[in-house]
Amino acid sequence: EAQVTQNPRYLITVTGKKLTVTCSQNMNHEYMSWYRQDPGLGLRQIYYSMNVEVTDKGDVPEGYKVSRKEKRNFPLILESPSPNQTSLYFCASILLGTGGRYEQYFGPGTRLTVT
Amino acid sequence: ILNVEQSPQSLHVQEGDSTNFTCSFPSSNFYALHWYRWETAKSPEALFVMTLNGDEKKKGRISATLNTKEGYSYLYIKGSQPEDSATYLCAFKETSGSRLTFGEGTQLTVNP
Repeated sequence: EAQVTQNPRYLITVTGKKLTVTCSQNMNHEYMSWYRQDPGLGLRQIYYSMNVEVTDKGDVPEGYKVSRKEKRNFPLILESPSPNQTSLYFCASILLGTGGRYEQYFGPGTRLTVT
Repeated sequence: ILNVEQSPQSLHVQEGDSTNFTCSFPSSNFYALHWYRWETAKSPEALFVMTLNGDEKKKGRISATLNTKEGYSYLYIKGSQPEDSATYLCAFKETSGSRLTFGEGTQLTVNP
């Protein structure tokens, strides 16, 4: 079954304590992406990756890092979390196929609270 | 930053009513327009991916149209049911890279 998994699903942490949210997909997709969702702001892209070792900033990259050492995993790293990073985070895996085929599969979300 | 706008922001209808909402996006560098259905506490579910001007897609009672020249897409729901209650998101993809820009969504509530 095609799947995008995220861990943890819920996290409460304190300011400044480094954390990593993992994302893994089993569809062999080259493209992956991280979003945050905040009330009234919709989904905003944090970072995306077009292939292993190829990443680029989205709309709101400040305070985040990513890595793509292997195709299936795209972890989101918060080196020094702050309260304004309290949000709902979604990872997505993207199929780019022939004939303009484009499908995006979302993970279940990670609700992060930074106190 | 690309501007993708959805209207209305929220909508309340009665069961059985048909409804529609709008997504507007830049008309240049168009590659694809996505519609997602997002229920509370779940991850967004893809409804349609539309790539050609004039595209019309249908899935059950839900359908969508696309006008890339003027930069808008309509989503229609025929005979709304309470289970249609969700936030409907559109997302615009331009020709470069894999970046997807989302609108803020239309929150639909269908009252029984």
